[in-house]
Amino acid sequence: KNQVEQSPQSLIILEGKNCTLQCNYTVSPFSNLRWYKQDTGRGPVSLTIMTFSENTKSNGRYTATLDADTKQSSLHITASQLSDSASYICVVSGDSNSGYALNFGKGTSLLVTP
Amino acid sequence: DVKVTQSSRYLVKRTGEKVFLECVQDMDHENMFWYRQDPGLGLRLIYFSYDVKMKEKGDIPEGYSVSREKKERFSLILESASTNQTSMYLCASSIQVLMGTADEKLFFGSGTQLSVL
Repeated sequence: KNQVEQSPQSLIILEGKNCTLQCNYTVSPFSNLRWYKQDTGRGPVSLTIMTFSENTKSNGRYTATLDADTKQSSLHITASQLSDSASYICVVSGDSNSGYALNFGKGTSLLVTP
Repeated sequence: DVKVTQSSRYLVKRTGEKVFLECVQDMDHENMFWYRQDPGLGLRLIYFSYDVKMKEKGDIPEGYSVSREKKERFSLILESASTNQTSMYLCASSIQVLMGTADEKLFFGSGTQLSVL
């Protein structure tokens, strides 16, 4: 069964600090990997989408990396802000054989404190 | 910007009621999806649709049905609500997947928190 595992489950950091969230997956073959940010009580919003041939992609202070050989991805947040407090969800898309089915991780809950 | 609008942010219903959750998108997207999100379980796909009047079961379709009479609107129906359907329901839309690209971006609505008592 295709799985997407995220760690840590939750994280608390001080404002201004950096942090890294992890995503390990078993989806194979896969076509792309996405990171979403979900504020409390809102729908997820896309941060990055990477295909299997991409190693890194940035969106402002967010940088996602992908190692397709080890099936690992990370999301690095630089100089965290209070507004970064949210749940971060890793999503791995299968290929055409699976109808590009999306496999969702359970998310990492990040709290940035003053 | 793409806008996916869900008709209600919060709903409280009684067991056995028929419940309609409405979702409208304004970007002429072909694909529309309904997910539910529960603590510790992540998002799970209920139903999706690739075209008007077309629907496909997702991972957890039991107890739900859907309707897509118009391209912009995708409705989720709980025929007889039960307490285990208390959840956050998220609608999403995307452009049609192009063969070989699979690069569509999902746009989500703000969600409907449904409580069934």
